[in-house]
Amino acid sequence: QLQLQESGPGLVQASETLSLTCTVSSGSIISRSHYWGWIRQPPGKGLEWIGNIYYSGSTYHNPSLKSRVTMSVDTSKNQFSLKLTSVTAADTALYYCARKGGGGLFDYWGQGTLVTVSS
Amino acid sequence: QSVLTQPPSASGTPGQRVTISCSGSSSNIGSNSVNWYQHLPGTAPKLLIYFNNQRPSGVPDRFSGSKSGTSASLAISGLQSEDEADYYCATWDDTLNGVLFGGGTKLTVL
Repeated sequence: QLQLQESGPGLVQASETLSLTCTVSSGSIISRSHYWGWIRQPPGKGLEWIGNIYYSGSTYHNPSLKSRVTMSVDTSKNQFSLKLTSVTAADTALYYCARKGGGGLFDYWGQGTLVTVSS
Repeated sequence: QSVLTQPPSASGTPGQRVTISCSGSSSNIGSNSVNWYQHLPGTAPKLLIYFNNQRPSGVPDRFSGSKSGTSASLAISGLQSEDEADYYCATWDDTLNGVLFGGGTKLTVL
């Protein structure tokens, strides 16, 4: 059973960079059929797609986050990562990593990690 | 406000059938398949329906999905107390070139 686990600081200062890593286990991140994605849920709100990365490094991200998002992949560690720059209180959320199939299909999810932006 | 419109809440009594709608447009639901997720607080979202009407292994057949034009629906029959959760639709949007989630529907089992 594929497993994903998010890791990273739970508290980030406003205007700084949020950095999270997702470690994939019981399966390979090198998959021609899947992307690897980030989704977040602000407190009291719904799910928001952040972006996806392929094992080769190609990415898609939500235009609403403009150029603040950077994603990377490390196939040797079976990990992929998210960086979100210039964070504000609006970036406080539960951040999930997930495996993405076609379209909006996310079939395996991490448990999520809460990131709070402090001013 | 999400591009994919879901009712914010729904409710039913045990044993009843409830449906949750998801309305979009030609660039998303109209041209791509719809997936549904069940989200209980403190847990990871769970894929409930994929490709409009397919159930992953382990999902009870009480859950079913359908799509027509630019709208989709999730139906839950034989409602149970453990079905109380938030439900989200999701699809690809060709204009956004990315994934859209609906705003979510909170299902209450009375």
